[in-house]
Amino acid sequence: DGGITQSPKYLFRKEGQNVTLSCEQNLNHDAMYWYRQDPGQGLRLIYYSQIVNDFQKGDIAEGYSVSREKKESFPLTVTSAQKNPTAFYLCASSIVVGSYSNQPQHFGDGTRLSIL
Amino acid sequence: QKEVEQNSGPLSVPEGAIASLNCTYSDRVSQSFFWYRQYSGKSPELIMSIYSNGDKEDGRFTAQLNKASQYVSLLIRDSQPSDSATYLCAVFKSSASKIIFGSGTRLSIRP
Repeated sequence: DGGITQSPKYLFRKEGQNVTLSCEQNLNHDAMYWYRQDPGQGLRLIYYSQIVNDFQKGDIAEGYSVSREKKESFPLTVTSAQKNPTAFYLCASSIVVGSYSNQPQHFGDGTRLSIL
Repeated sequence: QKEVEQNSGPLSVPEGAIASLNCTYSDRVSQSFFWYRQYSGKSPELIMSIYSNGDKEDGRFTAQLNKASQYVSLLIRDSQPSDSATYLCAVFKSSASKIIFGSGTRLSIRP
Protein backbone atom coordinates (compact mmCIF):
# COMPACT_ATOMS: atom_id res chain seq x y z
CA ASP A 1 0.00 0.00 0.00
CA GLY A 2 1.22 3.48 -0.80
CA GLY A 3 1.63 5.87 2.06
CA ILE A 4 3.80 7.93 4.35
CA THR A 5 5.65 6.28 7.20
CA GLN A 6 6.87 8.27 10.16
CA SER A 7 9.06 6.83 12.87
CA PRO A 8 9.30 6.59 15.75
CA LYS A 9 5.75 7.11 16.99
CA TYR A 10 7.03 8.46 20.32
CA LEU A 11 10.41 10.05 21.01
CA PHE A 12 12.00 11.50 24.12
CA ARG A 13 14.78 14.05 24.01
CA LYS A 14 17.30 14.77 26.71
CA GLU A 15 18.68 18.22 27.41
CA GLY A 16 21.27 19.23 24.81
CA GLN A 17 20.52 16.30 22.53
CA ASN A 18 19.74 16.34 18.81
CA VAL A 19 17.09 13.89 17.66
CA THR A 20 16.05 12.87 14.14
CA LEU A 21 12.52 12.07 13.02
CA SER A 22 12.16 9.82 10.01
CA CYS A 23 9.69 10.32 7.14
CA GLU A 24 9.50 7.97 4.15
CA GLN A 25 6.91 7.98 1.35
CA ASN A 26 6.25 5.56 -1.49
CA LEU A 27 3.64 7.69 -3.25
CA ASN A 28 6.16 9.02 -5.77
CA HIS A 29 5.34 12.55 -4.60
CA ASP A 30 7.81 15.30 -5.41
CA ALA A 31 7.01 17.61 -2.49
CA MET A 32 7.42 16.83 1.20
CA TYR A 33 6.69 18.90 4.28
CA TRP A 34 7.23 18.99 8.03
CA TYR A 35 4.70 20.55 10.38
CA ARG A 36 4.57 21.07 14.09
CA GLN A 37 1.27 20.93 15.98
CA ASP A 38 0.92 22.05 19.59
CA PRO A 39 -2.11 21.02 21.68
CA GLY A 40 -5.28 22.72 20.49
CA GLN A 41 -3.42 24.53 17.72
CA GLY A 42 -3.23 24.35 13.97
CA LEU A 43 -0.32 23.21 11.84
CA ARG A 44 2.81 25.32 11.56
CA LEU A 45 5.20 24.72 8.66
CA ILE A 46 8.80 23.97 9.62
CA TYR A 47 10.46 23.06 6.30
CA TYR A 48 9.39 21.92 2.87
CA SER A 49 11.03 20.49 -0.21
CA GLN A 50 9.74 20.35 -3.77
CA ILE A 51 12.69 18.51 -5.26
CA VAL A 52 15.63 16.37 -4.23
CA ASN A 53 18.59 18.29 -2.80
CA ASP A 54 16.52 21.44 -2.33
CA PHE A 55 14.41 22.65 0.60
CA GLN A 56 13.04 25.89 2.00
CA LYS A 57 12.41 27.21 5.48
CA GLY A 58 8.85 27.46 6.63
CA ASP A 59 7.46 29.72 9.32
CA ILE A 60 9.24 28.18 12.32
CA ALA A 61 12.52 26.72 10.99
CA GLU A 62 14.76 27.91 13.85
CA GLY A 63 16.15 24.99 15.84
CA TYR A 64 15.36 22.46 13.10
CA SER A 65 17.25 21.06 10.13
CA VAL A 66 16.33 18.79 7.21
CA SER A 67 17.88 16.98 4.27
CA ARG A 68 16.42 15.67 1.00
CA GLU A 69 18.95 13.27 -0.47
CA LYS A 70 16.31 10.92 -1.89
CA LYS A 71 12.85 11.58 -3.29
CA GLU A 72 11.32 9.14 -0.82
CA SER A 73 12.93 10.48 2.34
CA PHE A 74 12.78 13.79 4.24
CA PRO A 75 14.21 13.43 7.77
CA LEU A 76 13.84 16.22 10.33
CA THR A 77 16.45 16.88 13.02
CA VAL A 78 15.33 18.71 16.14
CA THR A 79 18.49 20.33 17.44
CA SER A 80 19.39 21.38 20.97
CA ALA A 81 18.79 24.96 19.83
CA GLN A 82 15.05 24.24 19.80
CA LYS A 83 14.26 25.02 23.42
CA ASN A 84 10.62 23.98 23.38
CA PRO A 85 10.47 20.88 21.18
CA THR A 86 7.53 19.13 22.85
CA ALA A 87 4.90 18.79 20.14
CA PHE A 88 3.26 16.50 17.59
CA TYR A 89 5.32 16.43 14.38
CA LEU A 90 3.63 15.66 11.10
CA CYS A 91 5.21 14.82 7.77
CA ALA A 92 3.21 15.28 4.57
CA SER A 93 3.72 14.89 0.84
CA SER A 94 2.00 16.04 -2.34
CA ILE A 95 2.40 15.98 -6.09
CA VAL A 96 3.67 19.10 -7.84
CA VAL A 97 1.87 20.43 -10.92
CA GLY A 98 4.03 22.77 -12.93
CA SER A 99 5.85 24.83 -10.36
CA TYR A 100 3.01 24.80 -7.83
CA SER A 101 2.45 22.55 -4.85
CA ASN A 102 -1.26 23.36 -4.91
CA GLN A 103 -2.40 19.78 -4.68
CA PRO A 104 -3.70 18.25 -1.45
CA GLN A 105 -1.18 17.05 1.07
CA HIS A 106 -1.31 13.57 2.56
CA PHE A 107 -0.04 13.01 6.08
CA GLY A 108 1.85 10.35 7.97
CA ASP A 109 0.71 9.21 11.42
CA GLY A 110 2.99 11.63 13.22
CA THR A 111 5.69 11.52 15.89
CA ARG A 112 5.13 12.78 19.43
CA LEU A 113 8.28 14.34 20.85
CA SER A 114 8.69 15.07 24.55
CA ILE A 115 11.50 16.37 26.72
CA LEU A 116 12.86 14.08 29.42
CA GLN B 1 -5.96 39.22 10.34
CA LYS B 2 -5.06 35.55 10.07
CA GLU B 3 -4.53 34.20 6.57
CA VAL B 4 -7.04 31.39 7.14
CA GLU B 5 -9.64 31.87 9.87
CA GLN B 6 -11.94 29.35 11.46
CA ASN B 7 -14.15 29.50 14.52
CA SER B 8 -12.40 27.28 17.06
CA GLY B 9 -15.66 25.94 18.48
CA PRO B 10 -16.64 23.66 19.94
CA LEU B 11 -19.60 23.39 17.61
CA SER B 12 -22.22 21.07 19.07
CA VAL B 13 -24.72 19.50 16.67
CA PRO B 14 -27.40 16.86 17.40
CA GLU B 15 -27.04 13.50 15.70
CA GLY B 16 -28.79 13.44 12.33
CA ALA B 17 -28.63 17.22 11.83
CA ILE B 18 -26.51 19.21 9.38
CA ALA B 19 -23.18 20.49 10.66
CA SER B 20 -21.92 23.66 8.98
CA LEU B 21 -18.25 24.58 9.24
CA ASN B 22 -16.97 27.89 7.93
CA CYS B 23 -13.62 29.27 6.83
CA THR B 24 -12.50 32.64 5.48
CA TYR B 25 -9.19 33.44 3.82
CA SER B 26 -7.28 36.61 3.06
CA ASP B 27 -5.41 35.87 -0.20
CA ARG B 28 -7.84 36.91 -2.91
CA VAL B 29 -6.04 34.94 -5.65
CA SER B 30 -6.10 31.58 -3.84
CA GLN B 31 -7.09 28.76 -6.18
CA SER B 32 -7.10 25.53 -4.17
CA PHE B 33 -9.03 24.76 -1.00
CA PHE B 34 -9.09 21.69 1.21
CA TRP B 35 -10.92 20.30 4.22
CA TYR B 36 -9.21 17.86 6.56
CA ARG B 37 -10.63 15.91 9.49
CA GLN B 38 -8.41 15.26 12.50
CA TYR B 39 -9.43 12.94 15.30
CA SER B 40 -7.88 13.58 18.69
CA GLY B 41 -4.30 12.32 18.77
CA LYS B 42 -4.31 11.39 15.08
CA SER B 43 -3.02 12.98 11.90
CA PRO B 44 -5.22 14.99 9.51
CA GLU B 45 -6.99 13.11 6.72
CA LEU B 46 -8.21 14.77 3.54
CA ILE B 47 -12.00 14.93 3.17
CA MET B 48 -12.56 17.29 0.25
CA SER B 49 -10.72 19.41 -2.29
CA ILE B 50 -12.47 22.23 -4.14
CA TYR B 51 -11.04 24.46 -6.83
CA SER B 52 -13.94 26.36 -8.43
CA ASN B 53 -16.89 28.39 -7.19
CA GLY B 54 -20.01 26.52 -6.20
CA ASP B 55 -20.77 23.27 -4.44
CA LYS B 56 -18.97 19.94 -4.55
CA GLU B 57 -20.64 16.91 -3.02
CA ASP B 58 -19.10 13.65 -1.84
CA GLY B 59 -21.41 11.38 0.10
CA ARG B 60 -22.59 13.21 3.23
CA PHE B 61 -20.07 15.99 2.71
CA THR B 62 -20.56 19.15 0.63
CA ALA B 63 -17.89 21.79 0.18
CA GLN B 64 -19.01 25.26 -0.87
CA LEU B 65 -16.68 27.89 -2.31
CA ASN B 66 -17.36 31.58 -2.84
CA LYS B 67 -14.20 33.27 -4.11
CA ALA B 68 -15.81 36.72 -4.29
CA SER B 69 -16.54 36.56 -0.55
CA GLN B 70 -13.30 34.64 0.18
CA TYR B 71 -15.31 32.02 1.98
CA VAL B 72 -15.29 28.23 1.95
CA SER B 73 -17.56 25.98 3.99
CA LEU B 74 -18.12 22.31 4.70
CA LEU B 75 -21.56 20.84 5.30
CA ILE B 76 -21.97 17.44 6.89
CA ARG B 77 -25.44 15.96 6.43
CA ASP B 78 -26.94 13.34 8.74
CA SER B 79 -24.21 13.96 11.33
CA GLN B 80 -22.96 10.89 13.15
CA PRO B 81 -21.07 10.62 16.45
CA SER B 82 -18.09 9.41 14.40
CA ASP B 83 -17.99 12.86 12.77
CA SER B 84 -16.87 14.35 16.11
CA ALA B 85 -13.39 15.67 15.34
CA THR B 86 -11.48 18.84 14.54
CA TYR B 87 -11.93 20.06 10.97
CA LEU B 88 -9.06 21.96 9.38
CA CYS B 89 -9.52 24.33 6.47
CA ALA B 90 -6.47 24.70 4.20
CA VAL B 91 -5.87 27.20 1.40
CA PHE B 92 -3.13 27.30 -1.22
CA LYS B 93 -1.51 30.73 -1.08
CA SER B 94 -0.29 31.40 -4.61
CA SER B 95 2.07 34.23 -3.68
CA ALA B 96 3.98 31.98 -1.28
CA SER B 97 3.38 28.74 -3.21
CA LYS B 98 2.36 26.90 -0.05
CA ILE B 99 -0.72 25.67 1.73
CA ILE B 100 -1.85 27.58 4.82
CA PHE B 101 -3.86 25.73 7.46
CA GLY B 102 -6.48 27.24 9.71
CA SER B 103 -6.44 26.42 13.43
CA GLY B 104 -9.46 24.14 13.06
CA THR B 105 -13.02 23.92 14.34
CA ARG B 106 -13.83 21.31 16.94
CA LEU B 107 -17.12 19.56 16.10
CA SER B 108 -19.06 17.52 18.63
CA ILE B 109 -22.07 15.42 17.57
CA ARG B 110 -24.35 14.78 20.51
CA PRO B 111 -26.53 11.63 20.48
